[in-house]
Amino acid sequence: GDSVTQMEGPVTLSEEAFLTINCTYTATGYPSLFWYVQYPGEGLQLLLKATKADDKGSNKGFEATYRKETTSFHLEKGSVQVSDSAVYFCALSDMKTSYDKVIFGPGTSLSVIP
Amino acid sequence: DGGITQSPKYLFRKEGQNVTLSCEQNLNHDAMYWYRQDPGQGLRLIYYSQIVNDFQKGDIAEGYSVSREKKESFPLTVTSAQKNPTAFYLCASSPLTGVPDNEQFFGPGTRLTVL
Repeated sequence: GDSVTQMEGPVTLSEEAFLTINCTYTATGYPSLFWYVQYPGEGLQLLLKATKADDKGSNKGFEATYRKETTSFHLEKGSVQVSDSAVYFCALSDMKTSYDKVIFGPGTSLSVIP
Repeated sequence: DGGITQSPKYLFRKEGQNVTLSCEQNLNHDAMYWYRQDPGQGLRLIYYSQIVNDFQKGDIAEGYSVSREKKESFPLTVTSAQKNPTAFYLCASSPLTGVPDNEQFFGPGTRLTVL
């Protein structure tokens, strides 16, 4: 079935460092891909999304490009801030196999230190 | 202000008791979902509903029950049959069913602890 794999955390970076969180997926159809962020003690919020191959999602300085050839959707940010400390979830929605369901990866915890 | 509310934020339950978690949305969304999150783990789907008076089991439905009598409400009952109910519970909704970019909107969560 469909699945999402993320790099294991926790990830610890210094402020202004470059961030990459790897995400790869397995899907039968042509999924939409998402990154969600969860700040401590809160629910998830959508960070960005891409619905077809080669689309780039971007928001708040974060970017991710839908790569069909490598089945990847890596999250990047050029310069992280302390306020970016959170758990990041990669997710997919595949209309062909999981109607109206979103499959989440295990999450990657990010800590940014001053 | 549109959004999803969950109550209570913290809930304590004795073993053997049923407990109901509230989830309300005023976004006029069709679909609603319940997830369970355990420390260091991702989200696991408990139940979801695409329309009033209909719902489907997710991946870990055993020991849980739901109802969807109103579009805006989707309460979750954790029964005594759930062997390990201590977890963080998240409710979500999405505006339409059957669309490719099925963005979900989340509530703030309820942390349930069994004493």
